[in-house]
Amino acid sequence: DGGITQSPKYLFRKEGQNVTLSCEQNLNHDAMYWYRQDPGQGLRLIYYSQIVNDFQKGDIAEGYSVSREKKESFPLTVTSAQKNPTAFYLCASRKGMDSPLHFGNGTRLTVT
Amino acid sequence: GDSVTQMEGPVTLSEEAFLTINCTYTATGYPSLFWYVQYPGEGLQLLLKATKADDKGSNKGFEATYRKETTSFHLEKGSVQVSDSAVYFCALSDRGSQGNLIFGKGTKLSVKP
Repeated sequence: DGGITQSPKYLFRKEGQNVTLSCEQNLNHDAMYWYRQDPGQGLRLIYYSQIVNDFQKGDIAEGYSVSREKKESFPLTVTSAQKNPTAFYLCASRKGMDSPLHFGNGTRLTVT
Repeated sequence: GDSVTQMEGPVTLSEEAFLTINCTYTATGYPSLFWYVQYPGEGLQLLLKATKADDKGSNKGFEATYRKETTSFHLEKGSVQVSDSAVYFCALSDRGSQGNLIFGKGTKLSVKP
């Protein structure tokens, strides 16, 4: 079955360390997205990519970086510059602009 | 810019009660509208969508009608079940920003037996 895989489900890091969250999809979707979810704040867009080797900043890109070297993969790096990295991170993809988003099951990152 | 406002929760209902979750939007164009559902510890799943005015989206007993005159897309279900307990998100597709989705803050629904 096609879908989006995020790993790991839970991630713990010490403050000051960079950490990379994995997102892989086998849906043959062109566009991929990273969202951050905090209690009571809904979803906020971090980065998105419409095509391989191209990506754009979303609303809260500071302290994050991404790459899109393959269509299937869109890893997110949370750098030490991100002030409040502890959150639930969701990866999503879709075929085209008017298509619905498909989400992975998320990675819960805790930084202490 | 475009935005979505949905009623704050949490909403607590008894099984078989009628559900309404209000959602209104602000948009310069004619966005597509969506309802997503998130079960505990999971990502979001598309529940239903509508792409133009007066369209009605429906799925699993849930319905929502795209009302351009009131800029609303309220979610309704006639008889909720315990298994409907989840967080519900209203969203619009922002055509001015490459179709990126803008989400409301979510409404948590708890259904008691």
